[in-house]
Amino acid sequence: GQNIDQPTEMTATEGAIVQINCTYQTSGFNGLFWYQQHAGEAPTFLSYNVLDGLEEKGRFSSFLSRSKGYSYLLLKELQMKDSASYLCAALDYKLSFGAGTTVTVRA
Amino acid sequence: EAGVTQSPTHLIKTRGQQVTLRCSPISGHTSVYWYQQALGLGLQFLLWYDEGEERNRGNFPPRFSGRQFPNYSSELNVNALELEDSALYLCASSSRTSGYEQYFGPGTRLTVT
Repeated sequence: GQNIDQPTEMTATEGAIVQINCTYQTSGFNGLFWYQQHAGEAPTFLSYNVLDGLEEKGRFSSFLSRSKGYSYLLLKELQMKDSASYLCAALDYKLSFGAGTTVTVRA
Repeated sequence: EAGVTQSPTHLIKTRGQQVTLRCSPISGHTSVYWYQQALGLGLQFLLWYDEGEERNRGNFPPRFSGRQFPNYSSELNVNALELEDSALYLCASSSRTSGYEQYFGPGTRLTVT
C-alpha cells in the first residue's frame, strides 16, 4: 500500500522561502512528483525526482532521499501567486497523492 | 498542442442516477488516468487505462467503471450515484516518451443531490 504524509498548511511572507516536506512509504518506487493546484483548478506539474539529490528549476527546487523515503519542495522568493495547494505524489505502478499542503503567502 | 480535455465541466445528478464523464488525452498519449478529488481531500486514484486496456484500479466499488477507446479517449461511468460521489473528477494522460509525467485536464465537477 501507499502512505504519503505532508503538512496540512504553511504560511509565509512574500519574498521568503518555504520548504514543504513529504514522507512516503510505497511497495515499489518509480519516482516522486510535486504538483501545484490552485483552488478550483487542475494540478499542474512542478517536478519529478527519481534519483537522490536536488533538482532545481527556477524558484522551485525538489529534493529526494530514497533511503529515507523523504522529499521536500523548496519555494524561493515567494510571490502572492504561489498561494496554492502543493501535492506530493509517489509513483509505483500508479500515482498516490498526499492530501496536499496549502501554502498561504502574505504581503 | 491541445491539452487534456474533459466534458462536461459541471454536472448535477440525483442519487441513484448514472453518469458518464469523458476525457480526451493529449495527442500521442496512450495512457489515461482517472482521479477523484472530494472537497478538502487529496486526489484518489480511480482507474488507469493504457493502450485500450484497464491496467489498474484504485480502491473504489465496481459501480465505478470505464473504458478506453481506440483513439485513446476514455469514459468514466458511475452507476447508482451516492451523495459522497460529489467531487471533482480529474483525468490525466501520459505517454511512454514523456516518461511518468501526467498532464491533467480541467476536471468535471459532479454534484449529487
